[in-house]
Amino acid sequence: KQEVTQIPAALSVPEGENLVLNCSFTDSAIYNLQWFRQDPGKGLTSLLLIQSSQREQTSGRLNASLDKSSGRSTLYIAASQPGDSATYLCAGPYNAGNNRKLIWGLGTSLAVNP
Amino acid sequence: EAGVVQSPRYKIIEKKQPVAFWCNPISGHNTLYWYLQNLGQGPELLIRYENEEAVDDSQLPKDRFSAERLKGVDSTLKIQPAELGDSAVYLCASSLVASGSIGELFFGEGSRLTVL
Repeated sequence: KQEVTQIPAALSVPEGENLVLNCSFTDSAIYNLQWFRQDPGKGLTSLLLIQSSQREQTSGRLNASLDKSSGRSTLYIAASQPGDSATYLCAGPYNAGNNRKLIWGLGTSLAVNP
Repeated sequence: EAGVVQSPRYKIIEKKQPVAFWCNPISGHNTLYWYLQNLGQGPELLIRYENEEAVDDSQLPKDRFSAERLKGVDSTLKIQPAELGDSAVYLCASSLVASGSIGELFFGEGSRLTVL
């Protein structure tokens, strides 16, 4: 059964630090991966989608990489700001019988302190 | 471009009462998802539509939950009767993908249900 682990579960850093969030799958047979941000009481905001043909995607201060051979993805946040404080979730599709489903990590709760 | 719109944002009801949530996906998106999210957990899929067809409702508790997407655009999720354990956030998402695939998902703000 496919499982997703996000490490660390929580992270508190001072403003300006570069940081790395990790996402790993027990079954490396994933074909794309999406990172989301969720603010308290809000829905999920798509940050980056890495397609199967890609190894990484960048958007502003965010960079996400995908290593399909190991089933791992990393979200790198450069020069963190207090506004980056949120929960970050990763999700990837896997085959479940006749359906393709998304499996989710539990998220990394990030606090960036001014 | 408007995002995924959900209503209501908040709903408080007593147990055994019915409740309904509405979702309008991004224009042109053929796939619509309803998820349930408990505090501190990742989203759990309830049902997935491709156009009007429910292609995956294996995790929808059909004794009390129902959903429809009659014209392949907006969708309604209903719970009748609600139970205390149904208190959660109900998220709607949409995407534009080929059949059977999973592409980039866009979520609404969610509907927070509290059952007393």
